[in-house]
Amino acid sequence: SYVLTQPPSVSVAPGKTARITCGGNNIGSKSVHWYQQKPGQAPVLVIYYDSDRPSGIPERFSGSNSGNTATLTISRVEAGDEADYYCQVWDSSSDHSYVFGTGTKVTVL
Amino acid sequence: EVQLLESGGGLVQPGGSLRLSCAASGFTFSSYAMSWVRQAPGKGLEWVSAISGSGGSTYYADSVKGRFTISRDNSKNTLYLQMNSLRAEDTAVYYCAKELTGDPVGTGDAFDIWGQGTMVTVSS
Repeated sequence: SYVLTQPPSVSVAPGKTARITCGGNNIGSKSVHWYQQKPGQAPVLVIYYDSDRPSGIPERFSGSNSGNTATLTISRVEAGDEADYYCQVWDSSSDHSYVFGTGTKVTVL
Repeated sequence: EVQLLESGGGLVQPGGSLRLSCAASGFTFSSYAMSWVRQAPGKGLEWVSAISGSGGSTYYADSVKGRFTISRDNSKNTLYLQMNSLRAEDTAVYYCAKELTGDPVGTGDAFDIWGQGTMVTVSS
């Protein structure tokens, strides 16, 4: 089955840039989506199809995807960005399944 | 307003059954593939099952295949998850989620709308 690997945690100071990676075999050939989840809340879509932003999501959130790594970048980080972040793809191999990454806890220092 | 509201969670003994429901509103329900996603306490997200807008195509995670059945009633704008032979490891918050662009299922779409979740606890 397809595996997506994320760093368990990322720490960043307010106003700086946070980069969250999502590693997978040839992930650059897949469409990657990113979700933000705050404690006790449902996930929220923040980036879809590698780099598109839903309405209402700040321009500070951006995404890229190439080779074996997809990246979610949060610029000018704010305290409200502290949350868990998950990447997600569709595995069209024999499994035919949606796959979520292991998740990254972003801590704003 | 687009909204999803899950119900049906609760405490069930190992080996028991439970049916979850997800009531949809604010969009043309039959035009969108839907999924169930779960999250065990303190753990990450795990996709469980997906169904096409018509209900004619379904997919399951290996962990629930043969035990869970996804279905939908488009006349009632409701998604279901029938869970049988429940195990302790099925304990989780279960979310229903709507696909961003619609149908068909299995095209790698994102989930743009999520419900608030319903808790399922499997324990004796």
